[in-house]
Amino acid sequence: DIQMTQSPSSLSASVGDRVTITCRASQNIRRYLHWYQQRPGEAPKLLIYVASTLQTGVPSRFSGSGSGTDFTLTISSLQPEDFATYFCQQSDTTPYSFGQGTKLHIK
Amino acid sequence: QVQLQQWGAGLLKPSETLSLNCAVYGGSLSDYSWTWIRQSPGKGLEWIGEIDHRGSTNIKPSLKHRVSISLDTSKNQFSLRLSSLTAADTAVYYCARLVTGTRDLDVWGPGTTVTVSS
Repeated sequence: DIQMTQSPSSLSASVGDRVTITCRASQNIRRYLHWYQQRPGEAPKLLIYVASTLQTGVPSRFSGSGSGTDFTLTISSLQPEDFATYFCQQSDTTPYSFGQGTKLHIK
Repeated sequence: QVQLQQWGAGLLKPSETLSLNCAVYGGSLSDYSWTWIRQSPGKGLEWIGEIDHRGSTNIKPSLKHRVSISLDTSKNQFSLRLSSLTAADTAVYYCARLVTGTRDLDVWGPGTTVTVSS
């Protein structure tokens, strides 16, 4: 199975900060990497698919990059509603798998 | 706008079988695959399996002997059955739509909390 490793697992930041979360796959997943945001008590919400395509309705401060095994999610200027947990997920090979999550805290 | 509504028993005993249903509103089952995912504090988000619009399934190998996923096109819904439950199956279970081609999960149900306890 493909292992997905996110870093950091926790991150403290302030409104207006630029933050980057990384996700590494244990083998080549081409660009089948997606990013989700999850707020407490809610289902995950798709932010970016196939590494860098912004889902409709998602603010442009979110961006993604990478291919192969290394990927990043960047939020260019944090807003109060961005404090949540972020997950990466690979869908190159079944069983599809998720990273362990990065919890973004307000500093 | 497509929405998923899910339901099923939330409290079960060890060895029992979990049955969950997910109805698709505002869209068709065609041209997508339909997925079950669970989330627990210990194991994080875990893909359980999927079924495409023709009824072909792909189940996580470690769960394959206990899981079945089915489609009811007349009701525009799909279902999950997980047998021989243990406490390790306690989790929030989500249904979600998998986009053909890009294979992302673009629409999610609200989740059903399932607790397995004697």
